[in-house]
Amino acid sequence: LAKTTQPISMDSYEGQEVNITCSHNNIATNDYITWYQQFPSQGPRFIIQGYKTKVTNEVASLFIPADRKSSTLSLPRVSLSDTAVYYCLVGYLTGTASKLTFGTGTRLQVTL
Amino acid sequence: DVKVTQSSRYLVKRTGEKVFLECVQDMDHENMFWYRQDPGLGLRLIYFSYDVKMKEKGDIPEGYSVSREKKERFSLILESASTNQTSMYLCASSFTGTRGTDTQYFGPGTRLTVL
Repeated sequence: LAKTTQPISMDSYEGQEVNITCSHNNIATNDYITWYQQFPSQGPRFIIQGYKTKVTNEVASLFIPADRKSSTLSLPRVSLSDTAVYYCLVGYLTGTASKLTFGTGTRLQVTL
Repeated sequence: DVKVTQSSRYLVKRTGEKVFLECVQDMDHENMFWYRQDPGLGLRLIYFSYDVKMKEKGDIPEGYSVSREKKERFSLILESASTNQTSMYLCASSFTGTRGTDTQYFGPGTRLTVL
């Protein structure tokens, strides 16, 4: 299983760009990288997923270098409502086995 | 919108009791998951199921069992609850698409306290 490591916490001011990195040194060939956001008293919610290079959607960007041993979630111009815990998930779900491993989460605090 | 519901938001049980946590999804997803979430440890997979009556152990299955008799329902069972099973339990479901993995949709969680 890929072991995933994230910073425990980060602080940012509103309007800044925030980059959260996840390290997954022993990622396997078939593993995808997925990021989730979790607010208090709620389940995690999907943000973005990628396999290599760069993926962008309306919420965030995900940068994955060529060796795929890390990935960076980029949140442009954060607001107070982006205060949450962010998890990376590395793995590949087959029909009969799961290789899914969540990181321990990064608590992002956004202030004015 | 996909909806994943869990039977209770908060549950208090006594040591040795048999505990059932129920999860229901309404999107006809093949895959369903049970995680526990603890401070500093993130989400850890207990069991998952990729089809009715099929199950696979996750990273921490000890002390737990599961049941999936219908596609939409996945139950987590604590045969004899212990205090170290006090935790937040999260259920999730996903569709098996053509890619290796697909988005998991999570329920709101059940905070279980074992006294």
